[in-house]
Amino acid sequence: QSALTQPRSVSGSPGQSVTISCTGTSSDVGGYNYVSWYQQHPGKAPKLMIYDVSKRPSGVPDRFSGSKSGNTASLTISGLQAEDEADYYCCSYAGSYSWVFGGGTKLTVL
Amino acid sequence: EVQLVESGGGLVKPGGSLRLSCAASGFTFSSYSMNWVRQAPGKGLEWVSSISSSSSYIYYADSVKGRFTISRDNAKNSLYLQMNSLRAEDTAVYYCARTLPYSSGLDYWGQGTLVTVSS
Repeated sequence: QSALTQPRSVSGSPGQSVTISCTGTSSDVGGYNYVSWYQQHPGKAPKLMIYDVSKRPSGVPDRFSGSKSGNTASLTISGLQAEDEADYYCCSYAGSYSWVFGGGTKLTVL
Repeated sequence: EVQLVESGGGLVKPGGSLRLSCAASGFTFSSYSMNWVRQAPGKGLEWVSSISSSSSYIYYADSVKGRFTISRDNAKNSLYLQMNSLRAEDTAVYYCARTLPYSSGLDYWGQGTLVTVSS
């Protein structure tokens, strides 16, 4: 199973919005509404930010939103803050009881 | 407070074995599916294995199938990963993570334990 494709890096200024894409195939992202997003700060464990494409766990700010169109899922962060600077990973169900992650995107807050 | 604490990592030679443990607290462990996810140094996340709440359903990534065995002891609130025939490419931080019920999300993660496979 190949990793989902994410941009290696994105950047934005405080207060702006950024969108991170996650491209797969009809066998994973496009085939199921089971996409999740994780935030990981250096040396820390990942944190769930979005699940089931667009649902937010309690405690995650509504500045974080998720969507999907065809084989591409997206994470949008609005009102960018300094603490949002981190690595972000998407994950999708890939059929046959398997899961595949994206390669990760480094978000820099300028 | 939900806590997941991994242990058992270390340095092992290629072809060797290691058993990881994950001690859970702060929630009803027996009600949740659990997972192992790994991250090679400087690399991205990779799903390794999942186990249902009663151990009825167990799944593995192709990269570890036949070499790794996931298990759990609900009486001890513990998750395990037995790793055999270890290879250099298995070197990674191994995280245990809880599945958010009826969803695709892994909502709680441990701090991870480092496994290094090297001669």
